[in-house]
Amino acid sequence: AQSVAQPEDQVNVAEGNPLTVKCTYSVSGNPYLFWYVQYPNRGLQFLLKYITGDNLVKGSYGFEAEFNKSQTSFHLKKPSALVSDSALYFCAVSDMEYGNKLVFGAGTILRVKS
Amino acid sequence: EADIYQTPRYLVIGTGKKITLECSQTMGHDKMYWYQQDPGMELHLIHYSYGVNSTEKGDLSSESTVSRIRTEHFPLTLESARPSHTSQYLCASSVAAAGNTIYFGEGSWLTVV
Repeated sequence: AQSVAQPEDQVNVAEGNPLTVKCTYSVSGNPYLFWYVQYPNRGLQFLLKYITGDNLVKGSYGFEAEFNKSQTSFHLKKPSALVSDSALYFCAVSDMEYGNKLVFGAGTILRVKS
Repeated sequence: EADIYQTPRYLVIGTGKKITLECSQTMGHDKMYWYQQDPGMELHLIHYSYGVNSTEKGDLSSESTVSRIRTEHFPLTLESARPSHTSQYLCASSVAAAGNTIYFGEGSWLTVV
């Protein structure tokens, strides 16, 4: 069965410092991996995805993520955090067997302090 | 930005009332989904549809029902609301093939008192 783990409930980082939000996954086939961001009382906004190809994926708002097959990880990164990046971040996974339905992690709260 | 719309955004209703949450998308997507999310928690798939006249139950059991009479419209109905139905309901849509991005609406916050 597909599953996603986001091991940190919350990540705190100072503005201007690099940030990492961790995600590991488990699927039976080749994974399709996604990151979404959710601001308070809003829906989910798509940030980036990995389907195939280059392991480093670049997305919206300066975010990027690195796919690591051997470690089954897909960590979200940004070189320089902004206060406005503070939000709830979700990692999600699917595969060909599961079709285009996503299994979500529990989410990680990112707090960027000025 | 995705063109997917949910109404109402916020609703407070009494126990036993019937409620329909509306969801429409203008992207011509075949697949549509309903996810349920308690505040700040993970999302759980409760219904999905591959196309017109197709509906399937998701991974989380739900007392709600859905219909898909038109491609662009995927309403969710609770025949008799209970306090345990208090949650956020997120509608989403995508192109059919696996790996395509799923786009979400802004969500409908339902409170049953």
